Order: sequence, then structure tokens, then C-alpha cells
Amino acid sequence: GAVVSQHPSWVICKSGTSVKIECRSLDFQATTMFWYRQFPKQSLMLMATSNEGSKATYEQGVEKDKFLINHASLTLSTLTVTSAHPEDSSFYICSAKRQGLNTDTQYFGPGTRLTVL
Amino acid sequence: KQEVTQIPAALSVPEGENLVLNCSFTDSAIYNLQWFRQDPGKGLTSLLLIQSSQREQTSGRLNASLDKSSGRSTLYIAASQPGDSATYLCAVAAFSGSARQLTFGSGTQLTVLP
Repeated sequence: GAVVSQHPSWVICKSGTSVKIECRSLDFQATTMFWYRQFPKQSLMLMATSNEGSKATYEQGVEKDKFLINHASLTLSTLTVTSAHPEDSSFYICSAKRQGLNTDTQYFGPGTRLTVL
Repeated sequence: KQEVTQIPAALSVPEGENLVLNCSFTDSAIYNLQWFRQDPGKGLTSLLLIQSSQREQTSGRLNASLDKSSGRSTLYIAASQPGDSATYLCAVAAFSGSARQLTFGSGTQLTVLP
């Protein structure tokens, strides 16, 4: 149990276009989901915390108007990279916290590789 | 601001060796510490989670220790195998609010040579 999926697994787009990445908890409900970004040879950096039914909380330095997060249901959060540029090319990983359990375990998705040409 | 450091950045060992990966953190007020494994181009697999009140956790050939007062954790891998080759990340969870945010180290890239 506790499987998190991401779609797409990889995407290549032209500069200036917008890209939507989905994060789904397949067999549990997640009140909180996290979005991370990982550049090559670097660690994961938290971008934002997404709570179902409310606005996301963004980390310092992350533009909320550029990285739109929607957590419309207990099993789905989406990250939209608007007007993507080559410097947005990165590995985007989401994680989800299970609702109702007294646990801090985050279950991670497999990641989405974004390449902006 | 919490900072997590992992040493070494890369490690190459022959198969069968025991090895230790190190993780240090600057703020000892943590909720828990986790060790993850990441294969190239893949997501994260949780290996071990140590609560702040614990000193170690074991799973198979893996043993993780935590010394919160000194801000250190080690991951011990016994009898290493080529399949252990991956990047190992440690992450600490802060106390802030109900959503425990994780701060990750930059990882140790392990290569086990057959």
C-alpha cells in the first residue's frame, strides 16, 4: 500500500509553454502533499506544501505565480509550470502524507523529468 | 535554518565490504531522521526512519544510528552488494506545524563493484 504516482514521467517542451504534472495517491487519501525539485547532482529542495482545499504554502524563493499548485481532492495534486524556461528543467518529485494516521511518513512519487528546450 | 550535510559525496567499494555513510545536521531540534535510497532518474525509497527519541533502527543489512545532541547520523551497510549501488539521502524532519517538512542532504553516491 501507500503508492504515489506521477504523470507524466518525463516531458519535453518548448520555452514559453506551460506544463502540468500530476501527483496521485493511489490507495490512500492524502491531506498534505509536498512538491520538490532536484537539479542534477543536487539534493531535493522543497518547493511548496499543498493542503487539500486550501492554498499551497511556498518556500522562500519559489514563485507562486510561476509554479501553480492545485490540491483539489484528497488523492490528487497538480503542479503547473507556467511559461517554462530552460532553467526550469529539473526533476520534480512529489510526496504525500497519509490522512488519519499518526505518522509523519511521506510516500514519494517516482518523479517527473522536465526538459525545456 | 536547518542544513544537512552528507559525507562522502561519492564512495566506491568492492563487493562484500561493510561501509558507513555519514549525515550531519545543524539544528538538533528534529522530529525524526530518515535515510532514503534513490536510483538514477527515479524517486525515493525510504530505508529507515529514526524518531528523535530513538538511537538506532535496523532493517536487514542496514543499521542507522542517531546522535541528536551532536547532530549526526550514520547508515551502516553490511556485506555490500552491487545492487546496493545508488544515491543515499538523509533527511531530517522539523517540528514546524503539523506538516513535517523534510530537509535533505545532498546525498552519497555509492558504487559497489562486483
